Amino acid sequence: DADVTQTPRNRITKTGKRIMLECSQTKGHDRMYWYRQDPGLGLRLIYYSFDVKDINKGEISDGYSVSRQAQAKFSLSLESAIPNQTALYFCATRKGETYTEAFFGQGTRLTVV
Amino acid sequence: AQSVSQHNHHVILSEAASLELGCNYSYGGTVNLFWYVQYPGQHLQLLLKYFSGDPLVKGIKGFEAEFIKSKFSFNLRKPSVQWSDTAEYFCAVNGGSQGNLIFGKGTKLSVKP
Repeated sequence: DADVTQTPRNRITKTGKRIMLECSQTKGHDRMYWYRQDPGLGLRLIYYSFDVKDINKGEISDGYSVSRQAQAKFSLSLESAIPNQTALYFCATRKGETYTEAFFGQGTRLTVV
Repeated sequence: AQSVSQHNHHVILSEAASLELGCNYSYGGTVNLFWYVQYPGQHLQLLLKYFSGDPLVKGIKGFEAEFIKSKFSFNLRKPSVQWSDTAEYFCAVNGGSQGNLIFGKGTKLSVKP
């Protein structure tokens, strides 16, 4: 089983719909992240969480919200999806120390039509 | 704020050619540096990382990178590329107390057989 699991893997949704992307991890890490990847723009940080009660905005949080339901679960919501939120979304986890690497999920390809 | 610049958007090489991908970062304090690879349709995987000590870091699949503090650089190298190295490569930096990974925009490498 994958250490970081994202569901769904692919999703097509209509403009204005609410959608939730889910992420769970089995690595026991305290830090979790949501990134979006767009061609030519690399990965941009949406939200991050250092523990269940610590949630922070990243550089592109507008239009998104998150919930850290447990240490192992971190979900990303689009309250009212718009076409420019079409992207590949990655969840990542990391141990607390800054010198540790991040482990990524397989990604969720979201298309907003 | 931290930032990462990757100079090449797309690099095309023939098999057995040598590779060097540039990465520069902006952060004045102690940094941790990473190179990730994303094969087509897959998630990001760690190639190598630098925390401290020897500035020449060796990673998986024959890749290495050199940290040059005076130049704020962490270039990725491989003496002889293979067709299977076709992928997108991301440089990332982690500095300061936030502990977030900031990614460059990525470099696509295409290796012709």
